[in-house]
Amino acid sequence: AQSVTQLDSQVPVFEEAPVELRCNYSSSVSVYLFWYVQYPNQGLQLLLKYLSGSTLVKGINGFEAEFNKSQTSFHLRKPSVHISDTAEYFCAVSAPPDKYIFGTGTRLKVLA
Amino acid sequence: GAVVSQHPSWVICKSGTSVKIECRSLDFQATTMFWYRQFPKQSLMLMATSNEGSKATYEQGVEKDKFLINHASLTLSTLTVTSAHPEDSSFYICSAPDQGETQYFGPGTRLLVL
Repeated sequence: AQSVTQLDSQVPVFEEAPVELRCNYSSSVSVYLFWYVQYPNQGLQLLLKYLSGSTLVKGINGFEAEFNKSQTSFHLRKPSVHISDTAEYFCAVSAPPDKYIFGTGTRLKVLA
Repeated sequence: GAVVSQHPSWVICKSGTSVKIECRSLDFQATTMFWYRQFPKQSLMLMATSNEGSKATYEQGVEKDKFLINHASLTLSTLTVTSAHPEDSSFYICSAPDQGETQYFGPGTRLLVL
């Protein structure tokens, strides 16, 4: 079985500062990894995904993530955040044909 | 990317009534769709897997008679909350995978049972 851990429940950061949201996973088989963003009262929007190939994945809105197999991590980063990046961020893992397993989410709060 | 819609986005109902929520894949076909429930400030909890043309698969602890799922076509799955009670109030989200491994999520339906 797979599991996902997002250690930081909340991350406050000042506007234009860099941010890293941490995600660690556990699995005995190869997995696919995803980051989703959720704005208030909305569904989830895919930010980026790692299926195979290059371990550095670039997504929308200037976000990127790096798959690190040895550390079983898939941390999300952005070099300069905006107020509009304030949202809930979910890391997810899947090992086909199994379903998605979501982390508990990290609330990113960008401060002016 | 693929688009998934949900209807309604908001619903308020009286205790004891039934509520139907629709999930549609707009530009792709989905033999499988997923229904999640999300409580405030919490993660998504998978309720069931909706399978086109066959019975849904429910997660442990989810009452199948309470949450009826029908996947009648390759673009539509419905979740009916039967005899709704205040504790059923929540945010319900559906998702559907494209032909690959990526799930696309609907905008969610907020249910308030009075």
